[in-house]
Formats: sequence, structure tokens, C-alpha cells
Amino acid sequence: DAGVIQSPRHEVTEMGQEVTLRCKPISGHNSLFWYRQTMMRGLELLIYFNNNVPIDDSGMPEDRFSAKMPNASFSTLKIQPSEPRDSAVYFCASSTRYRGGRNTEAFFGQGTRLTVV
Amino acid sequence: DAKTTQPNSMESNEEEPVHLPCNHSTISGTDYIHWYRQLPSQGPEYVIHGLTSNVNNRMASLAIAEDRKSSTLILHRATLRDAAVYYCILSAVYNFNKFYFGSGTKLNVKP
Repeated sequence: DAGVIQSPRHEVTEMGQEVTLRCKPISGHNSLFWYRQTMMRGLELLIYFNNNVPIDDSGMPEDRFSAKMPNASFSTLKIQPSEPRDSAVYFCASSTRYRGGRNTEAFFGQGTRLTVV
Repeated sequence: DAKTTQPNSMESNEEEPVHLPCNHSTISGTDYIHWYRQLPSQGPEYVIHGLTSNVNNRMASLAIAEDRKSSTLILHRATLRDAAVYYCILSAVYNFNKFYFGSGTKLNVKP
């Protein structure tokens, strides 16, 4: 498997523009996580899906951020409108949660470096 | 979620063992202890995890204190490739991979 695939790897956009980050989890995984990393705040959990359903979005900073998972093989994180303080590296991770409580470890993508100017 | 405390940085010589400590005094009985590391310009990668007993895998060993209030990640022979930020994270069994990362320990390996 190619691992968790994120696109684009780098994105530069102007303040006020809409930005969409994409993630393809590992095939067969049923849990998906979006994280954001900045120098000031480190790695922050934004949202967590299980079986395509958002379970916990308490980390989403504000209404400008939205995430979707229309099917098991694709998720998007959208920022509209974008602001300079949204500049960060955004990571997607996936794992499998089995019935009965067993879980695989989380596999992270290479990240998308977003710069809002 | 219970918090962890790690030293900001540590240094090691290549081919020597490294012991990375983590304190988690507020750990609950069902919290797992995870270790991930992040190499420069990459996403975090799994190292090891455990609940109560010591664990070994091909990458490292995890020693868990009897009261579970602390743990130590052991790299048996550090290589230059092991230079990374190492994160010790707790998670509840029902949210196994839902992580709240701290600042981690930046490990520098000297040749």
C-alpha cells in the first residue's frame, strides 16, 4: 500500500481564498484524523471520523473550517475564507478500529504545507 | 485526556542505547501509552505502544513503571536516522488513536 496520501504537498494562497486539502486513507482503514502543526501550538487534533462519520470535531478552530468524508477512501478539509494564521502543516492519519476494541496504530501522511499570504 | 511530561531535548552518541523518559502521573487505568516519532519534514510515525507490561518490537522497547505513572522508550542502538522528535501520548481504549500531542523530546544523535 502507498500509505496515506495527501494532496497537494504545498499550497500557497491569498488571504480570503478557499483552500481544499485532500486525503486518501490506507485502504481498509475505518478511522481518519486531521491534525494541524504549527511552531507555536505543535500538533493539534482537528477532527476524527469513524466509518465516514465525524465523531469529534471539537478541535476545529472555527466555522471557517469544515471537513467531509464522503466515502471510505477520501476526505477533505476546507478552509473558507483562509487567513494568514491558518498557515501550518496539515496532516491526515488513518487507522483501523476493530469491533471488540482492537486497533491498529495510526499511519500519517506526509502533510500539506499551507501558506496563506 | 491525561497529560504527559517529557524533557525538551536529549542527546545521544551513535550506536549507544538511548532512554527517553515520560511522566504521566494522571494516567487512568484504561489509558494506553503510545510513542510516535517525527523525522524532519515528515509526518509522525508509530514506534510502540503498551498498556501495563513492557513491550518490545523491532524498533524499540517500552518499559512501563509498575504504578504506570511513568514509562521509558528505549532505543537499543541509536543511529543517525533516529534523530527526531519523540512523542509520548496517552489515549483511552475507546479512542485508541485519538491523540493530544505534547511538545515531545527532540533527540539529537551525534556521530
